[in-house]
Amino acid sequence: GESVGLHLPTLSVQEGDNSIINCAYSNSASDYFIWYKQESGKGPQFIIDIRSNMDKRQGQRVTVLLNKTVKHLSLQIAATQPGDSAVYFCAEKDGATNKLIFGTGTLLAVQP
Amino acid sequence: EPEVTQTPSHQVTQMGQEVILRCVPISNHLYFYWYRQILGQKVEFLVSFYNNEISEKSEIFDDQFSVERPDGSNFTLKIRSTKLEDSAMYFCASRRQSSQETQYFGPGTRLLVL
Repeated sequence: GESVGLHLPTLSVQEGDNSIINCAYSNSASDYFIWYKQESGKGPQFIIDIRSNMDKRQGQRVTVLLNKTVKHLSLQIAATQPGDSAVYFCAEKDGATNKLIFGTGTLLAVQP
Repeated sequence: EPEVTQTPSHQVTQMGQEVILRCVPISNHLYFYWYRQILGQKVEFLVSFYNNEISEKSEIFDDQFSVERPDGSNFTLKIRSTKLEDSAMYFCASRRQSSQETQYFGPGTRLLVL
């Protein structure tokens, strides 16, 4: 079956440090991956995405790395700020469908 | 910046009652979705909708669920006879076109079935 999971349920970092959130997936047919940020009581907010024909993509303060060999996805946040505190979900999309399959989430706690 | 909106933000209902959750997707988007998130769990796909018909649905989306796009702006999820286990956050999402993969989510409706 297909599944997306996260290695770390919680991650605590100091303000200003870099954060790395990891995600494992099992569906080799997934062709698109996306990171969402979810603050308490709110909907998932798009952060960054990557297609399976890429292995790295950068945004503002965020970088997503995709390793298809080991089916691993990571989100790097540079100079983490208190406003980055949230639950981060990775999600994958199978090439044959439109639906997103979400991982279980990692809580990022930024300490001032 | 355009956003997906949802109403109501909270809904409390008695078991067996019908509820309708409403969404206004981003205006130039063509693909629409409903997801749900039971408290403390991950977000789960329910249904996708394109060109006025369901394109895909999960096993959760049984005969008690239906979706509709009654006009050019609204997208609704109806639960005919709610069960206790339907209590969850329900998120609407939309996507612009087939070449644009990103799904944008609304703020959600928190449904509590008593």
